[in-house]
Amino acid sequence: GQQVMQIPQYQHVQEGEDFTTYCNSSTTLSNIQWYKQRPGGHPVFLIQLVKSGEVKKQKRLTFQFGEAKKNSSLHITATQTTDVGTYFCAGFTQDDYKLSFGAGTTVTVRA
Amino acid sequence: DTGVSQDPRHKITKRGQNVTFRCDPISEHNRLYWYRQTLGQGPEFLTYFQNEAQLEKSRLLSDRFSAERPKGSFSTLEIQRTEQGDSAMYLCASSLVQGLSPLHFGNGTRLTVT
Repeated sequence: GQQVMQIPQYQHVQEGEDFTTYCNSSTTLSNIQWYKQRPGGHPVFLIQLVKSGEVKKQKRLTFQFGEAKKNSSLHITATQTTDVGTYFCAGFTQDDYKLSFGAGTTVTVRA
Repeated sequence: DTGVSQDPRHKITKRGQNVTFRCDPISEHNRLYWYRQTLGQGPEFLTYFQNEAQLEKSRLLSDRFSAERPKGSFSTLEIQRTEQGDSAMYLCASSLVQGLSPLHFGNGTRLTVT
């Protein structure tokens, strides 16, 4: 079955620094979605990427979908304390109804 | 508030007891999902409904788990003869049918089996 993997599992960042988290799928995806879960909260949708090689930006967050539609990345610039939380990537395959989630990257920020 | 609603927020039960959770999706959403999440892990798919039809159920789900969505509105997830390994956060999510829609999650039901 489809597996979605994320690295790193934990990211400790100094406030103001940049970092990137990576997502890889064992199978080709129809789309990839990114979610953020704050401590004690539930996953909240951030963005969806559909096209091969697509890049989307949300303020300091840049999301990219790989050319082969099997990997994705999230890059955050000038990290702030509001970026604390766990970032999940999740993908649909063409013949699959379910959205499969990675294990997430948990981000902590040192002020 | 018109988001996804789950009840109860917390449930503590003794091993061997049955528990039932309820999820009320966003009213115009036809798709409803149940996921389970344990500490340090991403949400794990359990089952999925389109309207009232249960279209897929995870192979990881034992026969002790059953879900229903009568009339395509709210959904219930029942766990029979609970085990300590069932302790987790149970998340419900809904989405629109059209296209590749994002999932809107509820706050979850945290189950603790003692």
